[in-house]
Amino acid sequence: DTEVTQTPKHLVMGMTNKKSLKCEQHMGHRAMYWYKQKAKKPPELMFVYSYEKLSINESVPSRFSPECPNSSLLNLHLHALQPEDSALYLCASSQSKWPSTGGNTIYFGEGSWLTVV
Amino acid sequence: DQQVKQNSPSLSVQEGRISILNCDYTNSMFDYFLWYKKYPAEGPTFLISISSIKDKNEDGRFTVFLNKSAKHLSLHIVPSQPGDSAVYFCAARPNTGNQFYFGTGTSLTVIP
Repeated sequence: DTEVTQTPKHLVMGMTNKKSLKCEQHMGHRAMYWYKQKAKKPPELMFVYSYEKLSINESVPSRFSPECPNSSLLNLHLHALQPEDSALYLCASSQSKWPSTGGNTIYFGEGSWLTVV
Repeated sequence: DQQVKQNSPSLSVQEGRISILNCDYTNSMFDYFLWYKKYPAEGPTFLISISSIKDKNEDGRFTVFLNKSAKHLSLHIVPSQPGDSAVYFCAARPNTGNQFYFGTGTSLTVIP
């Protein structure tokens, strides 16, 4: 099972709203990620959690707030977003073997399409 | 600064022929490379990977080649099928942490 489940699949929110994106995996992975993807662009890393601790924040604005309640769940809390934040938000997970001599594979969910109006 | 580059935004191939997708990288700390396939409105799907200790990895119709000296990898799909039409991303991970860097993608169209 290589499934990463994201909800909701589509979200429309106003600039003053507070909403959350949710992600779940049951592969025993201890690294979880949020990526943002705009049309015709590659996925851009936002956050990495390793063993439920935030290990990487790629200078993401504070209107995006990640949370990792346990090893299977990852949330992205959204508040006061801008229209330019509209994008596909991808959750992913992988084994966390850093530092490692080999590599591991990152598995993506289907994504949550966010539209900010 | 784009550390992983796919210089061909699009590629068209006849069904049954070979598709070759290319990827270049700049960071010598990358030790693990992956290829993903993405359909519109879906998340990327993992295809195949290769560790820097190898120069080739094969899985069915998909083969990935790695040339470390040239910092270049390629994905070969043989034979190409119409269902292979999608955007293909290469990705790389450094030996220093769980950061995966993605190329800009190549849109493959397999013509029946």
